[in-house]
Amino acid sequence: KAGVTQTPRYLIKTRGQQVTLSCSPISGHRSVSWYQQTPGQGLQFLFEYFSETQRNKGNFPGRFSGRQFSNSRSEMNVSTLELGDSALYLCASSLGRGNVEYEQYFGPGTRLTVT
Amino acid sequence: AQSVTQPDIHITVSEGASLELRCNYSYGATPYLFWYVQSPGQGLQLLLKYFSGDTLVQGIKGFEAEFKRSQSSFNLRKPSVHWSDAAEYFCAVIPPDTGRRALTFGSGTRLQVQP
Repeated sequence: KAGVTQTPRYLIKTRGQQVTLSCSPISGHRSVSWYQQTPGQGLQFLFEYFSETQRNKGNFPGRFSGRQFSNSRSEMNVSTLELGDSALYLCASSLGRGNVEYEQYFGPGTRLTVT
Repeated sequence: AQSVTQPDIHITVSEGASLELRCNYSYGATPYLFWYVQSPGQGLQLLLKYFSGDTLVQGIKGFEAEFKRSQSSFNLRKPSVHWSDAAEYFCAVIPPDTGRRALTFGSGTRLQVQP
């Protein structure tokens, strides 16, 4: 079974621009979560989607948004990019229900650099 | 405050030596507990998890972890380290009974393996 895939793997943007990152979960997984990883703040939860609905949200400004499609694929969008948004953005998928709903499997990440 | 702590930022061990990475949590009730590993430039790989039951948990790659309620700890161990184990290791928790599925991560322990 294929793992979580994220595209693109690397991205360079300029301050003020916006960016969209994509995540395809493991087949059969209905929950997708997004995390930001930076050297200063470590790994931080952004949000989680299940069945096209945002189910949990972290403590990030409204410039960070996401959505999930009917096939469980997810996108996250960051508007008005700031230098501090430079990070590795990780997507994780899980079944979303049942005994294993808390097991999250991560993709390789998208490395975003804002200049 | 609720938190998860990894006291060791960096650990160096010799190949073939045993390993123990520490993780402590501070929550009113026992959270769901996880260990992840991240190789350079990669996403996170789930090593093992603890939800309830047997306090000694076996994971992949020869790793195990022991949950100790009295010490609020979930330490990761491996009897004999291989050079390929060099990576960063993250302990993570999901607080129980909140309905949230967001992982809260420790700051990580970087493992270096000497030949």
